[in-house]
Amino acid sequence: GAVVSQHPSWVICKSGTSVKIECRSLDFQATTMFWYRQFPKQSLMLMATSNEGSKATYEQGVEKDKFLINHASLTLSTLTVTSAHPEDSSFYICSASRTSGANVLTFGAGSRLTVL
Amino acid sequence: EDKVVQSPLSLVVHEGDTVTLNCSYEVTNFRSLLWYKQEKKAPTFLFMLTSSGIEKKSGRLSSILDKKELFSILNITATQTGDSAVYLCAGIGSSNTGKLIFGQGTTLQVKP
Repeated sequence: GAVVSQHPSWVICKSGTSVKIECRSLDFQATTMFWYRQFPKQSLMLMATSNEGSKATYEQGVEKDKFLINHASLTLSTLTVTSAHPEDSSFYICSASRTSGANVLTFGAGSRLTVL
Repeated sequence: EDKVVQSPLSLVVHEGDTVTLNCSYEVTNFRSLLWYKQEKKAPTFLFMLTSSGIEKKSGRLSSILDKKELFSILNITATQTGDSAVYLCAGIGSSNTGKLIFGQGTTLQVKP
């Protein structure tokens, strides 16, 4: 089955530093990956759509310069939280679809970011 | 604006009870509705519903979609403590392949 790996699973950093989260599709190629953010006891909110070989598409209200997305290959997308602040502390989850046009997304295990 | 609304937001039942979770949606060019179960980490897929009136079943879980009234329900019969989780429904429109619009989720707690 489709497997999506996310790393790191948790990270603690100091305010002002940048943090990179990786999302890999292990057994399939994903031209599109999605990054979600989830605050405690809230639902997943789509941050951006990551497109292989082109710029990411950001949802309204999400700062492009704050959350840098790079989809350099068909199996890897990265999310970099730049100059992190405590309010960026959250659970970040990536997802990918096994086949183009498919609706069923496979989610990574998520990355919990805590900014001190 | 596309939106998905779930109810109730939280539910506490005892083992053996049957529960029904609701999901209503307003999604442009609606294509499918998906149900996910989220425990401690990432959501795991339960069902994808595309056609109206066709029930999907997996063990004690079942779900159905009503495209006329724009809602779906997820039923869990003979609940067990392992069913305790957040249940998320998400809508997808054909114009945004793979982009899911999630509801707030229903937190289900099953007590022994």
